[in-house]
Amino acid sequence: QKEVEQDPGPLSVPEGAIVSLNCTYSNSAFQYFMWYRQYSRKGPELLMYTYSSGNKEDGRFTAQVDKSSKYISLFIRDSQPSDSATYLCAMNWPHGGQNFVFGPGTRLSVLP
Amino acid sequence: DTGVSQNPRHKITKRGQNVTFRCDPISEHNRLYWYRQTLGQGPEFLTYFQNEAQLEKSRLLSDRFSAERPKGSFSTLEIQRTEQGDSAMYLCASSSHPGRSTDTQYFGPGTRLTVL
Repeated sequence: QKEVEQDPGPLSVPEGAIVSLNCTYSNSAFQYFMWYRQYSRKGPELLMYTYSSGNKEDGRFTAQVDKSSKYISLFIRDSQPSDSATYLCAMNWPHGGQNFVFGPGTRLSVLP
Repeated sequence: DTGVSQNPRHKITKRGQNVTFRCDPISEHNRLYWYRQTLGQGPEFLTYFQNEAQLEKSRLLSDRFSAERPKGSFSTLEIQRTEQGDSAMYLCASSSHPGRSTDTQYFGPGTRLTVL
């Protein structure tokens, strides 16, 4: 079992839809959770950063962390074609050095 | 643009040759990371510098790989005697916030290596 798992997709949705992207993980020590967006042939771009459990909202994006279930989510409201990209979750633990563990990514296509 | 920059963006080489990549982090960031990413996978951590000190190395970083950050600014990643399995995107990231145990990392555009 990999430490962090994501459904690779591709996930196709119509423009304007609400998108739900998810990661599950096995290491209960993870405390820091991040979502990155990666366009084709580009480096990952940080979208959201959360610590421990709870929700965080930033514009059309909402990140949720459920540590009891070892499950994190990213919601995108009013999705746009420009949201078409691969979404990567990443996580780390206190005093775990700087070894961030990434999921394999979910490829999203938002169709006009 | 004051983001992380990487050069070259693409490198094609023959098996057995040595290659070197460069990363210039965001100027005020003291932490610098190297990752490797293959198709359909997330980035895999290779190594990390705080200023000029290399503080952490992954077991993925074989003896053929070496990284330096001589003056605590730019960094180089060298791969000796390249193998076809080294073909990947090599990503550099940087971060700051000294005193925190985890930082948010900002990535460069990557160097895509193809080993023939």
